[in-house]
Amino acid sequence: GQQLNQSPQSMFIQEGEDVSMNCTSSSIFNTWLWYKQDPGEGPVLLIALYKAGELTSNGRLTAQFGITRKDSFLNISASIPSDVGIYFCAGRTGANSKLTFGKGITLSVRP
Amino acid sequence: EAGVAQSPRYKIIEKRQSVAFWCNPISGHATLYWYQQILGQGPKLLIQFQNNGVVDDSQLPKDRFSAERLKGVDSTLKIQPAKLEDSAVYLCASSLDLGVAQYFGPGTRLTVT
Repeated sequence: GQQLNQSPQSMFIQEGEDVSMNCTSSSIFNTWLWYKQDPGEGPVLLIALYKAGELTSNGRLTAQFGITRKDSFLNISASIPSDVGIYFCAGRTGANSKLTFGKGITLSVRP
Repeated sequence: EAGVAQSPRYKIIEKRQSVAFWCNPISGHATLYWYQQILGQGPKLLIQFQNNGVVDDSQLPKDRFSAERLKGVDSTLKIQPAKLEDSAVYLCASSLDLGVAQYFGPGTRLTVT
C-alpha cells in the first residue's frame, strides 16, 4: 500500500526561527494536505494542495506540492509558542482513493 | 459555520463490551469518514460514506465494527465486542465531496480495559 514518510519524529526550535518539514511518498499523489493536531483534539487542516508545483500560503505557513508529485513540504516562518503540536502530511492518489497519513512530526518551540 | 461534532469525547469500557460513537458532519458535506488513530500514529481510515452509501470499508474489521449513515447526514460507529487493541481515538471527518479537503471533529478517546 501507499506509504508516507515524515521525519524526523520530533523537532525542537527556538521561538522566532523558521522550520521546514517534508513528506515523501512511494506513490504519485494528486492531492497533498497538511494538518496540525493539538493534544486531545482532532487534526486541523492547514493547507490543501491539488496541483504539482503549487505553492500556497496561509499566514506564516507555506506549503508546496512537489514537481515529482511524490513529495510536499511545509514551512513555518517566525515560529511562536502556539505552533507547538503534531504536524501531519496526508495525500491521495485519486479523487476516489483514501487519504493516507504520515506518522506526524512533533514540533516543540522553546521560548 | 459549525464544525464536525462528535460524542462522547471519552469512553472507558471493559473488553467484550459494546460501544457506539456518533458524528454530525459539517452541514452540506456529502462525504463522511471514520478514522482510527492509535497513539503516536496518523489517522487510519476505517470507512468512508458518500451520502448514505459506503465508498470504502476495506480497512474496517467487519467482524466487530459496523457503521451506518442512514439518512446521509449523521453517522454512528459501533464496536461489538471491544478488544484491548481497540483503545484509540476515533475521529470523524467530512468533506464537501470526494477528493477534496477533509475536516475533522475533536474525536472520541476510547479506552478498553
